[in-house]
Amino acid sequence: QSVLTQPPSASGTPGQRVTISCSGSSSNIGSNYVYWYQQFPGTAPKVLIYRSNQRPSGVPDRFSGSKSGTSASLAISGLRSEDEADYYCAAWDDSLSVLFGGGTKLTVL
Amino acid sequence: QVQLVESGGGVVQPGRSLRLSCAASGFIFSSYAMYWVRQAPGKGLEWVTVISYDGSNKYYADSVKGRFTISRDNPKNTLYLQMNSLTTEDTAVYYCARATVAWELLDGFDMWGQGTRVSVSS
Repeated sequence: QSVLTQPPSASGTPGQRVTISCSGSSSNIGSNYVYWYQQFPGTAPKVLIYRSNQRPSGVPDRFSGSKSGTSASLAISGLRSEDEADYYCAAWDDSLSVLFGGGTKLTVL
Repeated sequence: QVQLVESGGGVVQPGRSLRLSCAASGFIFSSYAMYWVRQAPGKGLEWVTVISYDGSNKYYADSVKGRFTISRDNPKNTLYLQMNSLTTEDTAVYYCARATVAWELLDGFDMWGQGTRVSVSS
């Protein structure tokens, strides 16, 4: 069982804004950075957000990350069909381990 | 550009061993902590282990502690994962990944390899 909690699924129509939540505790999200990864079937994950709200070069500004207390969110605005993928949050825990969320499957209707 | 290429995967019987390698290029390997992350078929991502830039610090997931060993050869720009006493639960695609920030360990990772598949089966 994942210690970071994500909804198993999310959906939206093209052009909509969708948010995916990631809930943790004071020992992980509450005190460490959050990372967000996007994964298409059969391919390696790709970082979308690092250090909670930073976007690597090449990632569209439609993707944004935020963190408040022991929860984090990934927002995707102007949803596109090519955004249909699995999304994972991750964070270090103070127990010196890295935790992943269970993943959220995003469907573009 | 940054490139990470894993190798060494395959089919192995339960109880046997396997060593994975990750060849790095396009960055100063000796400046970055490195990670192994795995993904069982149809499942989510699971962190396995991490090693600091100089190899002095290593941390493991409870599920592999005592069975897996991470190491690195900085002059050869290569990361390793020695896996012993394998079980069917270790069947997964194994990815190596690079830390986001040089010298930092407890931050996160951004660049990933394409993965190597390990299947433990009798």
